[in-house]
Amino acid sequence: DAEITQSPRHKITETGRQVTLACHQTWNHNNMFWYRQDLGHGLRLIHYSYGVQDTNKGEVSDGYSVSRSNTEDLPLTLESAASSQTSVYFCATSGTDNSPLHFGNGTRLTVT
Amino acid sequence: QKEVEQNSGPLSVPEGAIASLNCTYSDRGSQSFFWYRQYSGKSPELIMSIYSNGDKEDGRFTAQLNKASQYVSLLIRDSQPSDSATYLCAVRDSNYQLIWGAGTKLIIKP
Repeated sequence: DAEITQSPRHKITETGRQVTLACHQTWNHNNMFWYRQDLGHGLRLIHYSYGVQDTNKGEVSDGYSVSRSNTEDLPLTLESAASSQTSVYFCATSGTDNSPLHFGNGTRLTVT
Repeated sequence: QKEVEQNSGPLSVPEGAIASLNCTYSDRGSQSFFWYRQYSGKSPELIMSIYSNGDKEDGRFTAQLNKASQYVSLLIRDSQPSDSATYLCAVRDSNYQLIWGAGTKLIIKP
């Protein structure tokens, strides 16, 4: 079965460190998304990609970056982790522009 | 600013009753509509998609879409304790962007 694998599942890091969260999908979907979810804010879009070499900023992109070198992977990098980036991060994919999203299991990130 | 509104709840429903969850959206040109279920500590899971006016049934779940009134609802029949979760409404707008509601917490009381 196709799946979306996020790693690590849990991460604790210190303020100022660079952190990369991995997302690997076997759906062969062109569209990939990164969200963060915090109490009181719901799901907020960080970055998204519609294909290889394509990346776009979402509503909360400051302090984050992504790169898309192949169809399967969209790693999310926190350039200099801040306590405000403590959150649960979800990677998601969709097959077409009008189809629903499929989510990975999430990464819980704590910045101390 | 395009919006999707949901009552945050919690909505408490007795076991065996019908749970009714509602969602309104602001973009009249919205294309497609989704309901996700999210258990605490887990990722959102798609339970229903609806693309045209009317009702769509899948087992105990019925999604209802009324584009003229700009609302979409989810009915859960014969509610079970395992249905206790947060239900997220997502609307794909006229620009194909997915707009999320904040979710309704549903509690099914045995």
